[in-house]
Amino acid sequence: DSGVTQTPKHLITATGQRVTLRCSPRSGDLSVYWYQQSLDQGLQFLIQYYNGEERAKGNILERFSAQQFPDLHSELNLSSLELGDSALYFCASSAGLAGGDTQYFGPGTRLTVL
Amino acid sequence: DAKTTQPPSMDCAEGRAANLPCNHSTISGNEYVYWYRQIHSQGPQYIIHGLKNNETNEMASLIITEDRKSSTLILPHATLRDTAVYYCIVRPGPYSSSNTGKLIFGQGTTLQVKP
Repeated sequence: DSGVTQTPKHLITATGQRVTLRCSPRSGDLSVYWYQQSLDQGLQFLIQYYNGEERAKGNILERFSAQQFPDLHSELNLSSLELGDSALYFCASSAGLAGGDTQYFGPGTRLTVL
Repeated sequence: DAKTTQPPSMDCAEGRAANLPCNHSTISGNEYVYWYRQIHSQGPQYIIHGLKNNETNEMASLIITEDRKSSTLILPHATLRDTAVYYCIVRPGPYSSSNTGKLIFGQGTTLQVKP
């Protein structure tokens, strides 16, 4: 158990819909990262937040957004869903902002878009 | 970020040592080598990391060549539960000016431990 929690574990929805994925970092960790893992793209970095502020962006679509709240939990919002958005979405957390901080991953949310 | 090259797959007999190689010939002086593994769609699990000295923890050992252009992850006594995809990642270290710790995953090595 990494200490990072994600809800829900599974999510099935239809094209065009909007969903919210939730992540609670390990106690004391200030950085939260979101990753997407699809069959054809592998694990890809989406976005990072540190203490409530966006710090880095990767291959995140404009239809996707995220935020980190004062209690440090984070939410990833996916809208106008397409079939290709079906994937595993992982959240990770680390203690601080430093590039060398070890990241610990949650169990993931499996999103299926029908 | 430096690019890594790993063999796509490897087999290992249960109870034997598993040696997983990684090439990172463009690694820079302030970059560390990190290893993660992913067991069947679970969240990636941190294994070990190092800069230039060999490292060992309860899970594995990491051997980094003197020129730092390659490394080997060693699982000393592989078990069936070690069957997973193993990722070698190069990223800035804790004293780097980089202000992001994003991980860039390659395709990794699928390790199959066989009875």
